Amino acid sequence: DPKIIQKPKYLVAVTGSEKILICEQYLGHNAMYWYRQSAKKPLEFMFSYSYQKLMDNQTASSRFQPQSSKKNHLDLQITALKPDDSATYFCASSQETGYAEQFFGPGTRLTVL
Amino acid sequence: AQSVTQPDARVTVSEGASLQLRCKYSYSGTPYLFWYVQYPRQGLQLLLKYYSGDPVVQGVNGFEAEFSKSNSSFHLRKASVHWSDSAVYFCVLSDPIGGSNAKLTFGKGTKLSVKS
Repeated sequence: DPKIIQKPKYLVAVTGSEKILICEQYLGHNAMYWYRQSAKKPLEFMFSYSYQKLMDNQTASSRFQPQSSKKNHLDLQITALKPDDSATYFCASSQETGYAEQFFGPGTRLTVL
Repeated sequence: AQSVTQPDARVTVSEGASLQLRCKYSYSGTPYLFWYVQYPRQGLQLLLKYYSGDPVVQGVNGFEAEFSKSNSSFHLRKASVHWSDSAVYFCVLSDPIGGSNAKLTFGKGTKLSVKS
């Protein structure tokens, strides 16, 4: 059974629209993360959450907003989408933010037209 | 600032041959180091990790890596590759302090193609 679920697997959006990427983990972890992988850049860290609180934000744009409704959920809302937002977005989790070993979900591939 | 460099974007080897994927890091001190693998259309999976101690660490599927503080390197090796090893391999660094600094820093990845 998958331990980290990301939905949807593929997503196509038009410029200017808003989308929410879903992430649920069933590993019993207390820390969750978002990473982005695009064609132009290596996999890069976006956010970290611990016990549903934001710990670190390395995303320059406020168009990216994580949302944690439950301890094992960390969704990513992206507003005013741009073609440069096209990427695969990975959710990850770890026991605590002090545990460097992180487990990754399968990713959501977002294409913005 | 910490960084990871994987100098080879693509590596091609024949099945049964040995493999070395190179990784150099920049960090003031001794970081936590990982190798992750990404198979086509899948997420990332942890191959192995180094925290401290023996510089040679063993991972899954016959992979091992050697940490060198003097060379700031963490090269990945396998004695005999299989066609199923074809994937993208990422060298990854983490700040041992952890806490709010527990984010991972990725290299650009090396795409391994194994010829049968």
